[in-house]
Amino acid sequence: DAGVIQSPRHEVTEMGQEVTLRCKPISGHNSLFWYRQTMMRGLELLIYFNNNVPIDDSGMPEDRFSAKMPNASFSTLKIQPSEPRDSAVYFCASSPDRDYEQYFGPGTRLTVT
Amino acid sequence: RKEVEQDPGPFNVPEGATVAFNCTYSNSASQSFFWYRQDCRKEPKLLMSVYSSGNEDGRFTAQLNRASQYISLLIRDSKLSDSATYLCVVNRRSTSGTYKYIFGTGTRLKVLA
Repeated sequence: DAGVIQSPRHEVTEMGQEVTLRCKPISGHNSLFWYRQTMMRGLELLIYFNNNVPIDDSGMPEDRFSAKMPNASFSTLKIQPSEPRDSAVYFCASSPDRDYEQYFGPGTRLTVT
Repeated sequence: RKEVEQDPGPFNVPEGATVAFNCTYSNSASQSFFWYRQDCRKEPKLLMSVYSSGNEDGRFTAQLNRASQYISLLIRDSKLSDSATYLCVVNRRSTSGTYKYIFGTGTRLKVLA
């Protein structure tokens, strides 16, 4: 079975540009999570969806970040405009439901110059 | 004080040794608990869920102590391949009914030949 799929795996962009990260969760999973990981702050939950509905976006740093889940098999995390401090690894994870274990994708390594 | 705390290590142990990690959590509403393993520049991967009665998977044993609010992971007969960062994860339900999946910052283990 395919795991969580993320694209792109690496993204290098200039400050001010729009960045879109993509995620395809494991088929049949009802919950989807976006995380950001840096050396300084560790793994931080940005937002999670249950049945395609955003449930908790309290971790989204600011208005420059937005996330959507138009259907059960696809989600995007958008940063507009991007800033150097957004440089991090962004992970998407999915889970059968909210209280179950999560399965992570390979991550997108974002560098904003 | 962080809601989930772990000793960052590193724990340097010889092959074949037994090593134990603890993780403390501060919110008594925490409901489910997990250990994840993360290799350098890779995504976190579920190692095991932690049940109230404790559970064992081969060389790995996880325990939960609700009274003292900590979980532990014991690794017996350490292998070189066990070298990684071990993340403690606590899932709790907030007063608004949403679930919060909180990662510790991880404990680094290095098994030496």
